[in-house]
Formats: sequence, structure tokens, C-alpha cells
Amino acid sequence: DGGITQSPKYLFRKEGQNVTLSCEQNLNHDAMYWYRQDPGQGLRLIYYSQIVNDFQKGDIAEGYSVSREKKESFPLTVTSAQKNPTAFYLCASSTGTGTGTNEKLFFGSGTQLSVL
Amino acid sequence: GQQLNQSPQSMFIQEGEDVSMNCTSSSIFNTWLWYKQDPGEGPVLLIALYKAGELTSNGRLTAQFGITRKDSFLNISASIPSDVGIYFCALVRGYQKVTFGTGTKLQVIP
Repeated sequence: DGGITQSPKYLFRKEGQNVTLSCEQNLNHDAMYWYRQDPGQGLRLIYYSQIVNDFQKGDIAEGYSVSREKKESFPLTVTSAQKNPTAFYLCASSTGTGTGTNEKLFFGSGTQLSVL
Repeated sequence: GQQLNQSPQSMFIQEGEDVSMNCTSSSIFNTWLWYKQDPGEGPVLLIALYKAGELTSNGRLTAQFGITRKDSFLNISASIPSDVGIYFCALVRGYQKVTFGTGTKLQVIP
């Protein structure tokens, strides 16, 4: 089945540690995104990528890094510089027309990151 | 920045009742998306709207893109217990940028 796969489902980070969240899609979408979701809040954009080898900072990029070496993959690294990393992280992809017209955004099942 | 208001924040309804929720924005956009999210899971796309005035159904769900292109509503008819969850709207701007509402938490009383 086509879709977006995030792993792991649960992740624990020790202080000072970097951790990487995986996101893979087989929808052949050009655009991919990472969002952070905190309880009672809307989704906030961390990074997005319109095409391979290109990505842009979102609204809350500090303390995070990404790479886009393959169309199918968009891993997110939560660095030690991110002082409040506990959140639910969602990866998404879209058809990426660039105009917002006929756009659909699909999400993975999420990764819950907690600090030990 | 873009303002997106979603209401109500939460609702408790009796099984079998109809539900309505809406979103309004401060600007005009090309696309409205409606999602449902269960606890600990990713949001699932319910309905996508692309034209002002467009009315689209998906089973018991109906959503409309407002004529002014600044608002949208989602209706759920004859609610059932599995409708429980958080529903939220999203606006799509150009260049793959999306703004999300803060969600409507729906509880269905059997």
C-alpha cells in the first residue's frame, strides 16, 4: 500500500543527545514536511522540502536539522540544542504543485519523542 | 501572520446527533483541507476543497468551501462512537505552506 512510514513510534532522548526520526514515503510526492504537535496546540512547521537536495526552514527550525538525499526519505534530527524536544512529530508529503491548488497533504502515523 | 480560527474547541454530543464545526481565515486561500486525528496517530485527510462554494461529501461527512474563500465548515451527520477524535481544518497557501486550525475535540455519548 502507498503511504508514509514513520519510525520509531516512540523515542527517548537523553540530555545532550542527538536523535533521528525516520520518514519514508512511496507516494512519489515531491514535497515533504516535518511538523511538531504539542498538546492543545496546532501543528507547527519545522522544515519542508520541495525537491531532492533542497529544504527550507519552517516556523520553529531551531534545534532541528534535516536532509533530503532521496525523494522517498526526509529524516529529521533533533539536536541537543533543542531544549524542549518532548512532542509528537509528524511527517507529511504532498503533491507539491507549488500554487496551493489541488493540493493534498498526507501524514504519517507520528513519532512520540520524550526526554529521559 | 495568517489567522485561522476554528470553532468550537470541543463538543459533547449524543450518538445519532448531527455535528457542525467551522474555520475562518483572515485571508483568501486556494485550498481547504479537513482532517481527523485519533490519539497517538497521524491526521487522516477527510475532505479536500478547491473552489469557492464547493460542497463535497464523504459518507456522513459534508464540507463546504465558503463563497468568500475565507471560511469552511464540516458537518457530520448521525454521529457514531467512532467519530470521536480531533477534527481540524487546514489552509494551503502557495509553495506547499499549510496553516492548521487548533482543532475541535469531539466526544460522542453512546
